[in-house]
Amino acid sequence: DSGVTQTPKHLITATGQRVTLRCSPRSGDLSVYWYQQSLDQGLQFLIQYYNGEERAKGNILERFSAQQFPDLHSELNLSSLELGDSALYFCASSVAPGLGQPQHFGDGTRLSIL
Amino acid sequence: GEDVEQSLFLSVREGDSSVINCTYTDSSSTYLYWYKQEPGAGLQLLTYIFSNMDMKQDQRLTVLLNKKDKHLSLRIADTQTGDSAIYFCAESSRGSQGNLIFGKGTKLSVKP
Repeated sequence: DSGVTQTPKHLITATGQRVTLRCSPRSGDLSVYWYQQSLDQGLQFLIQYYNGEERAKGNILERFSAQQFPDLHSELNLSSLELGDSALYFCASSVAPGLGQPQHFGDGTRLSIL
Repeated sequence: GEDVEQSLFLSVREGDSSVINCTYTDSSSTYLYWYKQEPGAGLQLLTYIFSNMDMKQDQRLTVLLNKKDKHLSLRIADTQTGDSAIYFCAESSRGSQGNLIFGKGTKLSVKP
C-alpha cells in the first residue's frame, strides 16, 4: 500500500459528460502529480501541484483541469469527454517537488467512455 | 526532447535472473527510476538511482547505470512467478522539471 488513495476505482460515463477524480496524497507529502495511462500514449504526465499551487503542466488538454485543496487532496476534472479520454488516471505524491523526490502512486481510476 | 526506450517483452524461467534494459536521451537526467505494475494495480516504486552512481543493490534487485551510453538496467536475481508484471523505467530531469518521463514498459513473464 503506497498510502496514496484514489477514488473512484472505476468510472463509466458517456461522451460529452464531466467527471471528477479525487486523490489523497500520502501523509506528509505536499506535492501531487496526475498521470494518464493509455494503450497508445503510454504513461504521460499531466499536471503537478505543490502545497496548493500549480507547479508544472504536461500534456494536459484544455478540457481538463485540476486543483489542490488546503488539506492537500487534489481533484482532476475532465469535461466534454471523448472516447479517446478512456484511460487509467494515476495520482502520485512526493514530499516536495523537484529532482530526487520519489513519487508514490495510487492504484488509479479507470475511466471508460461509452 | 526527452525519450525513454524499453524492449516490450521478456520471458524467463523461474529461478533464473532477469535483466530489463532501458535507454534514455536527456543528458541532464539526474534520477532514474524503476516501477512495477501488476495487473489491475498501480505503480509500485522498486528502486531509483542518482546519475552519479554506477550501481545500486537492494536485495534481489541490482540497478546498473552506464551514463556514457545513457543505458540503465534492472537485474532481478532468482526470478519468481510473483515477479511477473510490467516494469517501467522513468527519468526525472531538469528538463522535465522533476516530473517523470516513462518508457512504454517491459512485460516480464516468468515460466515455472
